[in-house]
Amino acid sequence: NAGVTQTPKFQVLKTGQSMTLQCAQDMNHEYMSWYRQDPGMGLRLIHYSVGAGITDQGEVPNGYNVSRSTTEDFPLRLLSAAPSQTSVYFCASSRFNANYGYTFGSGTRLTVV
Amino acid sequence: SQQGEEDPQALSIQEGENATMNCSYKTSINNLQWYRQNSGRGLVHLILIRSNEREKHSGRLRVTLDTSKKSSSLLITASRAADTASYFCATDALLSGGSNYKLTFGKGTLLTVNP
Repeated sequence: NAGVTQTPKFQVLKTGQSMTLQCAQDMNHEYMSWYRQDPGMGLRLIHYSVGAGITDQGEVPNGYNVSRSTTEDFPLRLLSAAPSQTSVYFCASSRFNANYGYTFGSGTRLTVV
Repeated sequence: SQQGEEDPQALSIQEGENATMNCSYKTSINNLQWYRQNSGRGLVHLILIRSNEREKHSGRLRVTLDTSKKSSSLLITASRAADTASYFCATDALLSGGSNYKLTFGKGTLLTVNP
């Protein structure tokens, strides 16, 4: 089915560990982004990309790294996990950024202990 | 920081009633969008209204936009138990550098529709 696929769905990390959250879309969308959702906080933008080879920071980029080598994939790397990064992470994609609605993945629930 | 803020934070109604949620924002926008999120799931895009539009309909959804008041409302008519979800408004804002937009989400309204 067409859409945004995120893996894994759940992950528990120890403080200091690193990991990569995967995001893939098959709609040929130019724009991809990562959000984190925390209780009572809404969604906050971490990083975004407007095309292969182009990435930039959002509101809360510290502790995260991204790359966009293909149109389809936009992985999010946690460099050294901290308890403050416990959250639900959503990847979203769109045509031509905010002029079209976003398609969201089903999320990755990350717990850092 | 949140650009859009939904009101109320929570709303509980009976099946068949109408549900109205409001969104206020602070700066000029290009468009405003509404999303639904069922518990434990990703967000689903419902409707987009551009800054030069005043009203838009999609099925049982009606969205209005008042740019002079910097506010929008989402009306769900003849609500069903399946409409139970959190509803978010999202506004676009120019990112630094001035060439791309980002969507900024509010904290959402939790709608509960009782059978």
